[in-house]
Amino acid sequence: AQSVTQLDSHVSVSEGTPVLLRCNYSSSYSPSLFWYVQHPNKGLQLLLKYTSAATLVKGINGFEAEFKKSETSFHLTKPSAHMSDAAEYFCVVTSTKRYSTLTFGKGTMLLVSP
Amino acid sequence: NAGVTQTPKFQVLKTGQSMTLQCAQDMNHEYMSWYRQDPGMGLRLIHYSVGAGITDQGEVPNGYNVSRSTTEDFPLRLLSAAPSQTSVYFCASSTDSQETQYFGPGTRLLVL
Repeated sequence: AQSVTQLDSHVSVSEGTPVLLRCNYSSSYSPSLFWYVQHPNKGLQLLLKYTSAATLVKGINGFEAEFKKSETSFHLTKPSAHMSDAAEYFCVVTSTKRYSTLTFGKGTMLLVSP
Repeated sequence: NAGVTQTPKFQVLKTGQSMTLQCAQDMNHEYMSWYRQDPGMGLRLIHYSVGAGITDQGEVPNGYNVSRSTTEDFPLRLLSAAPSQTSVYFCASSTDSQETQYFGPGTRLLVL
């Protein structure tokens, strides 16, 4: 069994300030973890993924996430928000077992004000 | 290289009608899946397939059927539409679940 909890449904930041989107997970197997972003009325795009290599993962557009097994967390960060970062972000867990299914968190809406 | 395509983009149905949502990919991916997205619920897995002729149920399969006769196509059938099936439907494909999922643009369905 696996599950994902995104701890904030909405996060508001000012442009140029740091971004933190929080994600906790549970998994019966070794997890693979992802962050996807969805801009309004668009499909989903991969930001970054963790698949048991380095625990600090760098993604596109300056985002990164750190896998912390002891805390079962995979928080997404960015040092300086940009207006174009405003979107909905989904934390996703699957296992390293072949052909396992993906479980999505409920999403965090990031609002960026000028 | 079109990636993942979905048709139609929008559809309005009456309760009890049936329809098929089309999904196709041209990346030779084995793993394909259907999700529905509802406000505040994230994406929930309806059905998935790990290759031609192989399908399995996800978290919310009731009211939906799938088949996978070719690697490229993975249609989703609504047997008798209900208002609870009003949602945005996304198809995705990849080489496996641990790899990047490529999502289609979505189909917005309204059931009256």
